[in-house]
Amino acid sequence: EVQLVESGGGLVQPGGSLRLSCAVSGFTLMSYEMNWVRQAPGKGLEWVSYISHTGSTIYYADSVKGRFTISRDNAKNSLYLQMNSLRAEDTALYYCARQGGPSEYPLSYDYWGQGTLVTVSS
Amino acid sequence: QSVLTQPPSASGTPGQRVTISCSGGTSNIERNPVSWYQQLPGTAPKLLIYLNNQRPSGVPDRMSGSKSGTSASLAISGLQSGDEADYYCASWDDSLNVWVFGGGTKLTVL
Repeated sequence: EVQLVESGGGLVQPGGSLRLSCAVSGFTLMSYEMNWVRQAPGKGLEWVSYISHTGSTIYYADSVKGRFTISRDNAKNSLYLQMNSLRAEDTALYYCARQGGPSEYPLSYDYWGQGTLVTVSS
Repeated sequence: QSVLTQPPSASGTPGQRVTISCSGGTSNIERNPVSWYQQLPGTAPKLLIYLNNQRPSGVPDRMSGSKSGTSASLAISGLQSGDEADYYCASWDDSLNVWVFGGGTKLTVL
């Protein structure tokens, strides 16, 4: 069974840092592109970052560029999001999401975690 | 403001057919596939439609997707109370190299 489990969220002051983790199981992480997507309370989905299979290609939303860093450790079946210089507007539920493989559900997010809540407040 | 435009709300009675639109541009919807997601209250999003009109296994054929030019649509027929949820469209934007989502449509079954 495919599972994605996020952790690392919490309450942090503006300007602070957090590192989110996404532990995956039920599939081989190195075979899939991965993303972080967030959802502010009562708001819609907002894509945050993308990382290719080996980590050689990375993209960020303009709203987090220069502050967030996505990475992965395929050997540890884990995806990460290092978040620095956090702002109140970064408050959200952060989901890790798997992009479907080319022979499965390409160019879509076929599995999502349950999310980890990040609250930025003084 | 989202790059893809969806109506904020939609509604229908049980058994009816409803359609949710998603409007974008050349660099996203026109050139790239659209996917749709259903988010039931308090849960993570679930893939509903991929590659514009394909259903993952387990998604009922009451759900269907279509795309024409810079717009896409999700249709739900035989509306059920369990369909009450937020629905989001998404596509890759190859000019900006970002994923873009619609703002979401809250579907109410009257």
